[in-house]
Amino acid sequence: AQSVTQLDSHVSVSEGTPVLLRCNYSSSYSPSLFWYVQHPNKGLQLLLKYTSAATLVKGINGFEAEFKKSETSFHLTKPSAHMSDAAEYFCVVSGGISSGSARQLTFGSGTQLTVLP
Amino acid sequence: DGGITQSPKYLFRKEGQNVTLSCEQNLNHDAMYWYRQDPGQGLRLIYYSQIVNDFQKGDIAEGYSVSREKKESFPLTVTSAQKNPTAFYLCASSTPGQLGRNIQYFGAGTRLSVL
Repeated sequence: AQSVTQLDSHVSVSEGTPVLLRCNYSSSYSPSLFWYVQHPNKGLQLLLKYTSAATLVKGINGFEAEFKKSETSFHLTKPSAHMSDAAEYFCVVSGGISSGSARQLTFGSGTQLTVLP
Repeated sequence: DGGITQSPKYLFRKEGQNVTLSCEQNLNHDAMYWYRQDPGQGLRLIYYSQIVNDFQKGDIAEGYSVSREKKESFPLTVTSAQKNPTAFYLCASSTPGQLGRNIQYFGAGTRLSVL
């Protein structure tokens, strides 16, 4: 079984300040982890993914995330927030379960990021 | 331009009516998925299909039906048996990829409301 917990349902930051969105996971297998972003009334866009290579993963738009196995965390960060970053962010875990299974993704409940001018 | 197209963007359903949401992809992906998104919740899997003419129930399949007659298309029907259909519906597709490592690409969604 696998699960993912996004620790904050809402985060507010000022423009130009750092962003931290927290995610903890549990998985019986060596997981893959993803962060997706969703702007209002839009689909989800992949920001970055971790698949057992480098533990620090760089994504699009200046975001990055660090996989910490000892802490079962995959927090998303950005050094300087921009107004266009305001959106909902989803942490997603995928474990390599049975052969041929395609339904391994488990989504967190989302973190709404507000960027204040 | 490769991508996933969902239509319509907004849909209204009357009591007792079945409605069908369209999802088309030109990414040549084998696997396709339907999710339901409710406010304050993550995505929940309704149905998925790994290959043409085959599909499996997800976590909340009751009141929904799908077909997969073509690789490019995976329509979702919300039947009258679905008593709370108001939600944002997202379609996704992926290549099978290495087990559990597949990236899913999403359409822009359909917002369904009940009249």
